[in-house]
Amino acid sequence: QSDLTQPASVSGSPGQSITISCTGTSSDIGTYNYVSWYQQYPGKAPKLMIYDVNKRPSGVSDRFSGSKSGNTASLTISGLQTEDEAHYFCSSYAGSTTLPFGGGTKLTVL
Amino acid sequence: QITLKESGPTLVKPTQTLTLTCSFSGFSLSTSGEGVGWFRQPPGKALEWLANFYWDDDTRYNPSLKSRLTISKDSSKNQVVLRMTNMDSVDTATFYCARERISMIRGPNWFDPWGQGILVTVSS
Repeated sequence: QSDLTQPASVSGSPGQSITISCTGTSSDIGTYNYVSWYQQYPGKAPKLMIYDVNKRPSGVSDRFSGSKSGNTASLTISGLQTEDEAHYFCSSYAGSTTLPFGGGTKLTVL
Repeated sequence: QITLKESGPTLVKPTQTLTLTCSFSGFSLSTSGEGVGWFRQPPGKALEWLANFYWDDDTRYNPSLKSRLTISKDSSKNQVVLRMTNMDSVDTATFYCARERISMIRGPNWFDPWGQGILVTVSS
């Protein structure tokens, strides 16, 4: 069981928008604006897509956006493309000796 | 360009100690604000943060594994080493290292980029 809760899977058609939720507690997401999201293809390393809730690293498409409300963070991908099909993990700052992750969400682009 | 790469044994026996090396380039652990973290991911499961090493020799450990972990650096070689003792079959996982650049807060927080990972199997 992971520290943060994500749906196991989501799906969408090319061109559509999807949102992946990540639910934590008042000890992590609810207190800190330091949620990050990672994209991972099978057999590959995670890639940072969003940090500090809604900031994109250089080179990440602006189709990816992040937000937060209360204890839940969200990753939205607009204009879905087949290349977006991957696993997505969330994590949140929660103090100096812990870093909770979500269990991961498999995105299928139909 | 910043790169990291993990190296070490891919097969260890139960009770043995695992030693992994993260070799990096494009940044220096002597520079203020820099850090390297280690993670693991069992097959088909979620990521788990293990430990961090910062430029000022500050170290952070996952409390649930702290008694088994040691993280250290070799500045002369731009490497960070992770040791995990008393390995068991449940420790079979892909291990990753990644760079953490401190921005607003000292972590562990967010990491970018990551190494390619190394699959370590624990079996007799």
